[in-house]
Amino acid sequence: ELKVEQNPLFLSMQEGKNYTIYCNYSTTSDRLYWYRQDPGKSLESLFVLLSNGAVKQEGRLMASLDTKARLSTLHITAAVHDLSATYFCAVDDRYNTDKLIFGTGTRLQVFP
Amino acid sequence: SQTIHQWPATLVQPVGSPLSLECTVEGTSNPNLYWYRQAAGRGLQLLFYSVGIGQISSEVPQNLSASRPQDRQFILSSKKLLLSDSGFYLCAWRQDSLNTEAFFGQGTRLTVV
Repeated sequence: ELKVEQNPLFLSMQEGKNYTIYCNYSTTSDRLYWYRQDPGKSLESLFVLLSNGAVKQEGRLMASLDTKARLSTLHITAAVHDLSATYFCAVDDRYNTDKLIFGTGTRLQVFP
Repeated sequence: SQTIHQWPATLVQPVGSPLSLECTVEGTSNPNLYWYRQAAGRGLQLLFYSVGIGQISSEVPQNLSASRPQDRQFILSSKKLLLSDSGFYLCAWRQDSLNTEAFFGQGTRLTVV
């Protein structure tokens, strides 16, 4: 059974600082997605990573995928308050690619 | 362009009452459809997914069921709600299972009292 774990679960960081969120998954997969959720809202797609070594960047966020390590990272550069949200990674189950399994989520709070 | 509609936005229901949440997608055909539940402050739990009309895969045994009576319509139901059914229910679609991300509806916040 595919399991997707994120760490940390909660991250409080000061504006201007850098940090990385980690997403580990338990079985082979070469497709991984990152989403953002604002409080009380639905999920918004951030990045689609489709191969080993894929790197995507948008503003202060950069996501990468290492399929051999079964690891994706979401790096935050010079955090600003507007990045405060919960971030989820999601993975296609290689043995049942119709299933999309989400990680536990990382709640990010950026303070002045 | 494709859009996904989910309703109602909020719902307060007594224990033991039935439930019907509806989700429709416009602007595409034969999408994969998903129902997720999110408990307060928690992650997303996959409840059901469907790859075609009448084809439902259940992930979690519980008192919920799903149906797909039309290509772009996905319904989540319960005959008798439990307190533990409270949560944020999200419907999602994607064009197919290859190389595409899922797009989410606005969600239904269900409170069972």
